[in-house]
Amino acid sequence: DTGVSQNPRHKITKRGQNVTFRCDPISEHNRLYWYRQTLGQGPEFLTYFQNEAQLEKSRLLSDRFSAERPKGSFSTLEIQRTEQGDSAMYLCASSPFSNRGRPSADTQYFGPGTRLTVL
Amino acid sequence: GDSVTQMEGPVTLSEEAFLTINCTYTATGYPSLFWYVQYPGEGLQLLLKATKADDKGSNKGFEATYRKETTSFHLEKGSVQVSDSAVYFCALIGTFTGGGNKLTFGTGTQLKVEL
Repeated sequence: DTGVSQNPRHKITKRGQNVTFRCDPISEHNRLYWYRQTLGQGPEFLTYFQNEAQLEKSRLLSDRFSAERPKGSFSTLEIQRTEQGDSAMYLCASSPFSNRGRPSADTQYFGPGTRLTVL
Repeated sequence: GDSVTQMEGPVTLSEEAFLTINCTYTATGYPSLFWYVQYPGEGLQLLLKATKADDKGSNKGFEATYRKETTSFHLEKGSVQVSDSAVYFCALIGTFTGGGNKLTFGTGTQLKVEL
């Protein structure tokens, strides 16, 4: 399977602990996105990378959140001092990027998500 | 800012019924529009997309037409099957996203198809 993969699929942690999630995008995709989805809502954008550069962060991404994509391949999302409000599904997506045509039309391919529960 | 509004669910239909899920958007310029589907226990999958006004996206019997005059992108299917039961998300990528191409999603509409 050459789709987007995320690990772990489920994470249960106690309030105040740190957690880290990993995303492996489709290999030839140079854009990688993180979204967060809470129950009954659509996904909300958190941040994105083009290759190894983090080019945009949402105001939703507090200073307890940090994301990296050190070699332009896989990415990690770390949440420090977790709070119960951080409980959500964290989604990763990747897309190719082309300077031709309309880049906004590039399809984003989503992974299965990591479900975080903070007790 | 950009936003997407879609009809609330759940929507319950009998097999072979006609489906419409309404979606309207607010965005400046000419956004690209998408429908994603999330089957139980699976990740989001792109169902169809349209990148300019009057374009019709289609896939697996589903269709949606980009209507700029009504800022709408309603999803339709002529005859639904039990296997279409899922959550459907309307989404857009705005024209002025600073190059980020981030998706803005609606809240999702759950569809349940019964025999």
